Amino acid sequence: KAGVTQTPRYLIKTRGQQVTLSCSPISGHRSVSWYQQTPGQGLQFLFEYFSETQRNKGNFPGRFSGRQFSNSRSEMNVSTLELGDSALYLCASSLNSGITDTQYFGPGTRLTVL
Amino acid sequence: DQQVKQNSPSLSVQEGRISILNCDYTNSMFDYFLWYKKYPAEGPTFLISISSIKDKNEDGRFTVFLNKSAKHLSLHIVPSQPGDSAVYFCAASALGNEKLTFGTGTRLTIIP
Repeated sequence: KAGVTQTPRYLIKTRGQQVTLSCSPISGHRSVSWYQQTPGQGLQFLFEYFSETQRNKGNFPGRFSGRQFSNSRSEMNVSTLELGDSALYLCASSLNSGITDTQYFGPGTRLTVL
Repeated sequence: DQQVKQNSPSLSVQEGRISILNCDYTNSMFDYFLWYKKYPAEGPTFLISISSIKDKNEDGRFTVFLNKSAKHLSLHIVPSQPGDSAVYFCAASALGNEKLTFGTGTRLTIIP
């Protein structure tokens, strides 16, 4: 089975712009979660989508949004980019949305905001 | 508020010896714990998990121990191999709120 894929792998934007990141889960997986990884902060949960519905949301401002399509692919959008948004954005998919459903991560999208 | 803490940013261990990575948590609602391993330029890979009803789970060279009263878990790797050099994250989740809360990671270096 193909793993989780994320596009693009690298992105450079300037402050004030917006960006859209894409995630394709493992075939058959219905849950997609997004995380932000920054040095010293570890991975911080952004949100989770299951069957096109947002199930959980982390403590991020409303500039961060996402959606999931009927084929389980997910996109994450960040508007009005700030320097502090520079990070590795990771997407993870799991079969379902249960506590014991193992999350499989993609390689991430490295976003640099100048 | 860091609910999952990995207080050692780095650890170096001789090849063949035991590696012990530690993790503390503050949220008593957490009842499922996981360890992930991350190589550079790759996403984290699931390693091993433990439910709060157990105090130990073993998978080959990897064993996770959970001490609920101390709100502490540890990952033991025996024997350590060069390929184990990576960043290790512990994570926790609670029933009804399945999002994963991660620690900040420990960089493990195995010295040949």
